[in-house]
Amino acid sequence: DAMVIQNPRYQVTQFGKPVTLSCSQTLNHNVMYWYQQKSSQAPKLLFHYYDKDFNNEADTPDNFQSRRPNTSFCFLDIRSPGLGDAAMYLCATSRGQGPRWEKLFFGSGTQLSVL
Amino acid sequence: AQSVTQLGSHVSVSEGALVLLRCNYSSSVPPYLFWYVQYPNQGLQLLLKYTSAATLVKGINGFEAEFKKSETSFHLTKPSAHMSDAAEYFCAVSDPNTGNQFYFGTGTSLTVIP
Repeated sequence: DAMVIQNPRYQVTQFGKPVTLSCSQTLNHNVMYWYQQKSSQAPKLLFHYYDKDFNNEADTPDNFQSRRPNTSFCFLDIRSPGLGDAAMYLCATSRGQGPRWEKLFFGSGTQLSVL
Repeated sequence: AQSVTQLGSHVSVSEGALVLLRCNYSSSVPPYLFWYVQYPNQGLQLLLKYTSAATLVKGINGFEAEFKKSETSFHLTKPSAHMSDAAEYFCAVSDPNTGNQFYFGTGTSLTVIP
């Protein structure tokens, strides 16, 4: 089945040690999103790619970066994780942007712990 | 700017009882509105969506929601709760004119009591 896959399911890192989270999709969707979801809070959009065009939310810290080497893969890099970055990170895709493409497809998420 | 407010972070209902989860939106233009469900340790799954067609929208698992412009509301209902409905429910809004960034509410945790 076509889907959005996130690896790993659980990730533990140390304070200040760079970490990379991965997302892949078999849907051939143009748009890929990264959301941060802290406990009991709404998912917060960090950034998204429309094809190779990167769109950063204004309040996303510089500590968070993203790469999309091809249509299928997108990575979230946290350069120096702090304790406040512990959260569930959700990857999502949509076929496009605009009235016809309004549905998001989510992966199962990566739960990041920072020690 | 678009936003949604979900009233009640926790809702408990008895099995077989009516489920009502509240969502109010704020938008300068007619929005697109969504309900997503998140089961434990899983990503979000679309329940239903309103995109300016019929105001009463039917979704999966027996859920439905009604868009009421006069009340700026998009409440989610289900006539009879099932144990498997226990999950976190998120209302979301997007502006069809600005590229469809989705903005989520803070979520409502639904508990179903046997």
